[in-house]
Amino acid sequence: GDSVTQMEGPVTLSEEAFLTINCTYTATGYPSLFWYVQYPGEGLQLLLKATKADDKGSNKGFEATYRKETTSFHLEKGSVQVSDSAVYFCALSADTGTASKLTFGTGTRLQVTL
Amino acid sequence: SAVISQKPSRDICQRGTSLTIQCQVDSQVTMMFWYRQQPGQSLTLIATANQGSEATYESGFVIDKFPISRPNLTFSTLTVSNMSPEDSSIYLCSVAARAEETQYFGPGTRLLVL
Repeated sequence: GDSVTQMEGPVTLSEEAFLTINCTYTATGYPSLFWYVQYPGEGLQLLLKATKADDKGSNKGFEATYRKETTSFHLEKGSVQVSDSAVYFCALSADTGTASKLTFGTGTRLQVTL
Repeated sequence: SAVISQKPSRDICQRGTSLTIQCQVDSQVTMMFWYRQQPGQSLTLIATANQGSEATYESGFVIDKFPISRPNLTFSTLTVSNMSPEDSSIYLCSVAARAEETQYFGPGTRLLVL
């Protein structure tokens, strides 16, 4: 079945450091890929997405590129802020043709300190 | 994106009782889903709520434990029946305007079962 693997957390960075959170996937067909973010005490928010190979999703300084050859969708940000502290989930949507079921990774907690 | 609300936002319940969670969207959507997020874990899809017909449950989830209603295109309920402490989780609804569209999540319902 479909699966998503994320790097273990927590990831602790100083403000203005460079961020990479690795995400790889296994899926049949051509899934869409997503990053969702969950701030403390809140629900999930869509951060960015990519629907086909070589697409780059970007939002709020974060970006991720859909790499079919390496089945990866790594999240990057050039300069993190304390306000970026949250749990980040990588997810894929199976190409079922009938429903956009999401399969999530285990989440990576990011802690940014001053 | 749609504005999604959930009620209650949190609750503390006694074992053996049931709780009904409501999910309301401010626009008509084709797809509505219910997820569970156990403490410190990722999200697991419980079921797809189908308008006018029975919900479609994922492996490991059954209608007797998690009955779902979807009377129209803007509203759904999830009931957690005969609760035990293992049901303590965050329950989230999500919506997609159409099949294969991006899912957007509600703020979640935090349930603690004593």
